[in-house]
Amino acid sequence: AQKITQTQPGMFVQEKEAVTLDCTYDTSDPSYGLFWYKQPSSGEMIFLIYQGSYDQQNATEGRYSLNFQKARKSANLVISASQLGDSAMYFCAMRVNTGGFKTIFGAGTRLFVKA
Amino acid sequence: GAGVSQSPSNKVTEKGKDVELRCDPISGHTALYWYRQSLGQGLEFLIYFQGNSAPDKSGLPSDRFSAERTGGSVSTLTIQRTQQEDSAVYLCASSLKAARMSQETQYFGPGTRLLVL
Repeated sequence: AQKITQTQPGMFVQEKEAVTLDCTYDTSDPSYGLFWYKQPSSGEMIFLIYQGSYDQQNATEGRYSLNFQKARKSANLVISASQLGDSAMYFCAMRVNTGGFKTIFGAGTRLFVKA
Repeated sequence: GAGVSQSPSNKVTEKGKDVELRCDPISGHTALYWYRQSLGQGLEFLIYFQGNSAPDKSGLPSDRFSAERTGGSVSTLTIQRTQQEDSAVYLCASSLKAARMSQETQYFGPGTRLLVL
């Protein structure tokens, strides 16, 4: 069975500092994709970054980077130079090719950026 | 429009009534997904469409839930005989193709907030 675990229900970070949001996953499928989404208070889900299981390098998108440690089955999101607008819920998600294309989401981490 | 749209944005209904939720995916996207998000929770997968067919209905919580998609575009999620535990935000997402590639990015709509009294 596939599972995504986000152990941090809430995180605080000072504006302009970096923050790491944890995500661990479990699957026996060798081919899978890992995603991070941001959900502001307005409710929409915004795609941030993707990492494939066969990708050799960690994914980066602007201020977002994914610290992919395959042996540990972790896919932590690093946000550099935090901004007040980064305050939101962040969801880690996984899709496996043999999973019927079902995307499994973690419970989320609420990030608060302090001025 | 450029993004996924959903209607209504909010729906209040009485227990026992039927509701229909609509999703318009991004033009050209062949894959469509429905999720449910209860208050303070993560997303729960409900059903996935590739074109008009639904190869994965495994997430539908009961036979009161059904969904269809016509013309490979608009989808409706129907909840019959609504219960209070059905209260949640129902999110729709689409992707260019479900494909065999796990990296197809899903783009989400704003959701329908359903409240069953």
